[in-house]
Amino acid sequence: EPEVTQTPSHQVTQMGQEVILRCVPISNHLYFYWYRQILGQKVEFLVSFYNNEISEKSEIFDDQFSVERPDGSNFTLKIRSTKLEDSAMYFCASSGGGVGELFFGEGSRLTVL
Amino acid sequence: AQSVTQLGSHVSVSEGALVLLRCNYSSSVPPYLFWYVQYPNQGLQLLLKYTSAATLVKGINGFEAEFKKSETSFHLTKPSAHMSDAAEYFCAVSPIYNQGGKLIFGQGTELSVKP
Repeated sequence: EPEVTQTPSHQVTQMGQEVILRCVPISNHLYFYWYRQILGQKVEFLVSFYNNEISEKSEIFDDQFSVERPDGSNFTLKIRSTKLEDSAMYFCASSGGGVGELFFGEGSRLTVL
Repeated sequence: AQSVTQLGSHVSVSEGALVLLRCNYSSSVPPYLFWYVQYPNQGLQLLLKYTSAATLVKGINGFEAEFKKSETSFHLTKPSAHMSDAAEYFCAVSPIYNQGGKLIFGQGTELSVKP
């Protein structure tokens, strides 16, 4: 069964460092997303991406964040200068277009020290 | 603004007992509503969705949910719990007009099933 894969599963970084989280969406999907979940809190929408551009982003997704689909298969989330409050589980998801029918990866846990 | 509230961060039932996980939504426009499940060490998986057709929606693994507009609720039920149902369950909402796939999640309910 096709699945969304994410790497790394866990990353520990120092505050101020750049982090890139990688995702391989399901191959025929056209819509891509990043969500995050801070420990003990809700899963929060960060950004959606379609047709090689951001279609929607939340207030959380400030200038420190960027997304890219560099090679037609990977979908990356970059955090330029990490803060302590960026520590969270980051979920990548993709969709073939059915509203709300998202396929999630297992998540990348980011710990900022 | 849209939101969902899940009553109870943790629910424990005995195997074979009824499962009832509560979700109430707030939306100024007709919503789409969803239940997602997350098994340990896995990503979220769509369980079922309501998209303004039948108010009683059936999903995978014997789960179903009923949309009640008068109560602004979308509770998830299963007649008989199985050990394999132990997981975290998330209710989510999306406005009908939003084709971008943005979901607003509740805080999640962890379901434990006792033998």
